[in-house]
Amino acid sequence: DADVTQTPRNRITKTGKRIMLECSQTKGHDRMYWYRQDPGLGLRLIYYSFDVKDINKGEISDGYSVSRQAQAKFSLSLESAIPNQTALYFCATSGGQGADDTEAFFGQGTRLTVV
Amino acid sequence: RKEVEQDPGPFNVPEGATVAFNCTYSNSASQSFFWYRQDCRKEPKLLMSVYSSGNEDGRFTAQLNRASQYISLLIRDSKLSDSATYLCVVRTGGSYIPTFGRGTSLIVHP
Repeated sequence: DADVTQTPRNRITKTGKRIMLECSQTKGHDRMYWYRQDPGLGLRLIYYSFDVKDINKGEISDGYSVSRQAQAKFSLSLESAIPNQTALYFCATSGGQGADDTEAFFGQGTRLTVV
Repeated sequence: RKEVEQDPGPFNVPEGATVAFNCTYSNSASQSFFWYRQDCRKEPKLLMSVYSSGNEDGRFTAQLNRASQYISLLIRDSKLSDSATYLCVVRTGGSYIPTFGRGTSLIVHP
């Protein structure tokens, strides 16, 4: 089983619908992140959380919200999906011990299409 | 100016070739540096960290130049399986947020 699991893996939704992407991890990390990836634009940070009670906006948080339900779970919501939110979404975690404790571990991604 | 910049490529090289990528970063307070590899439609995975003294892992060598604010990745004896996008990642001191470059595409052909 993957250490960082995203559900669903693929989703097609209609404009205006609410959708939630879920992420769970078994690595015991405190820090969790949501990124979106678009062709030619690389990975852009949407939201991040360093603890259960900590939520922070990233570079492109407009139109998104998040919930950190537990240390292991971090979900991303699109309250009213729009077509330009069509992208590949990645959840990531970090927070291990040692010199490279900022290594980020990624889920397999959720491919979201808004029509 | 974007915080982390990379040449998107693609770099198209024959098997066995040596290829090098550079990545520049704008924040002089940056402290940690990494190279990630991403295969098409897959998640990024850590390839190697970049240390101040430079480091090598098999055919891969990473270098850091703080004065000029860039890091490099050298791949020797390229294999077909090296074809992927290579992402430069930088972390600024005091922050646990990895900042990604847009990636450099490498295509190794027979």
